[in-house]
Amino acid sequence: DIVMTQSPDSLAVSLGERATINCKSSQSLLYSSNNKNYFAWYQQKPGQPPKLLIYWASTRESGVPDRFSGSGSGTDFTLTISSLQAEDVAVYFCQQYYTTPQTFGPGTKVDIK
Amino acid sequence: EVQLLESGGGLVQPGGSLRLSCAASGFTFSTYAMNWVRQAPGKGLEWVSSISDDGGSTYYADSVKGRFTISRDNSKNTLYLQMNNLRAEDTAVYYCAKPTTVTIRGLFQHWGQGTLVTVSS
Repeated sequence: DIVMTQSPDSLAVSLGERATINCKSSQSLLYSSNNKNYFAWYQQKPGQPPKLLIYWASTRESGVPDRFSGSGSGTDFTLTISSLQAEDVAVYFCQQYYTTPQTFGPGTKVDIK
Repeated sequence: EVQLLESGGGLVQPGGSLRLSCAASGFTFSTYAMNWVRQAPGKGLEWVSSISDDGGSTYYADSVKGRFTISRDNSKNTLYLQMNNLRAEDTAVYYCAKPTTVTIRGLFQHWGQGTLVTVSS
């Protein structure tokens, strides 16, 4: 199975400041035939199901604010929240959908400092 | 609007069984593979099982293989998860999840609200 790791486990950022979350996969998620990374980010707020934020490593899901951006390729990926808002307090999970079983990172909790 | 409504969760003793259901609406259910994903209390997300659009192919996490069975009834727009020989470590919220497209089975665009399964004596 592909193992996903995230760092940090949690972070606290002041309102309006940048938040950066990293995710690493145990093998490359780049599919050579289409040059796409089979990698996604989800946001989960307390008591709610996860919400898809970003897929193909850098494509924002419809309706997701442009302060959220994804980058990276192969085995190393980053989620950046350019200007943290109060409604961004949540746990963020990375996921690979390159192969079955699809696997998730352990999550990063983002709070307001 | 896509809607996924899970039901069937509850408290069950170790070794017992439960059947979860997920009623789907707002999309052509019969053209999408479907998934179950679970989340133990305070923990991360774990993919449990997938089924192809026609039900002909099924996939399971090693942790549930041989104990859980995924199925679907396309005439009723409903997904099922039969869970047998339940263990304490199966305690979790179980989500029904629909992929983004008919071809990318493992990318979960829509999620239900989940149903809680508690395995305890």
